[in-house]
Amino acid sequence: DIVMTQSPDSLAVSLGERATINCKSSQSVLYSSNSKDYLAWYQQKPGQPPKVLIYWASTRASGVPDRFSASGSGTNFTLTISSLQAEDVAVYYCQQYYSSLITFGQGTRLEIK
Amino acid sequence: QVQLVESGGGVVQPGRSLTLSCAASGFTFSSYGINWVRQAPGKGLEWVAHISYDGRNKYYADSVKGRFTISRDNSQNTVYLQMNSLRPEDTAAYYCAKDVEQYSGYPMATDYWGQGTLVTVSS
Repeated sequence: DIVMTQSPDSLAVSLGERATINCKSSQSVLYSSNSKDYLAWYQQKPGQPPKVLIYWASTRASGVPDRFSASGSGTNFTLTISSLQAEDVAVYYCQQYYSSLITFGQGTRLEIK
Repeated sequence: QVQLVESGGGVVQPGRSLTLSCAASGFTFSSYGINWVRQAPGKGLEWVAHISYDGRNKYYADSVKGRFTISRDNSQNTVYLQMNSLRPEDTAAYYCAKDVEQYSGYPMATDYWGQGTLVTVSS
């Protein structure tokens, strides 16, 4: 199985500041035939199901604010929130779908400092 | 609007069976694969199973392979998860979630999720 490792496990950032979450896969999730990275990011608020933010490593999902962006390729990926808002408090997960056995990272808890 | 509604959860004894349903609306159901993802209380997300848009391809996590069966009825816009030989470690909220893109034969990112149904395996 592809193991997804996120860092840090938790993060406290001041309102209006930048938040950065990292995700590393145990093997590349870049499919060479179409040059796509099979990597998604999700946000989960307490008591709610996850919500997709990003797929194909950098494609923002419909309705997601542009303060959310993502980058990376191969085995190293980053989710960035450019200016943290109060409503961004949540747990964030990366997910690989390169393998037919989908795996998630352990999650990163984002709080307000 | 897209809606996914899970049902069928409850309390069940170890070794028993349970079938979950996911009723979908608001999109062309027969064009999209559907996943089941679970979350144990206070824990992270674990992908469980995927069924392709046409039901031909099915994939399972190693932790449930041989015990769980995913199926779909495109005439009823419903996906099912038959869970046999349940174990205490299967206790979780079970979510169904729709693939982001149409006609994928393989599991992929998901865009719409249901609110989940809770399964508790306990004697």
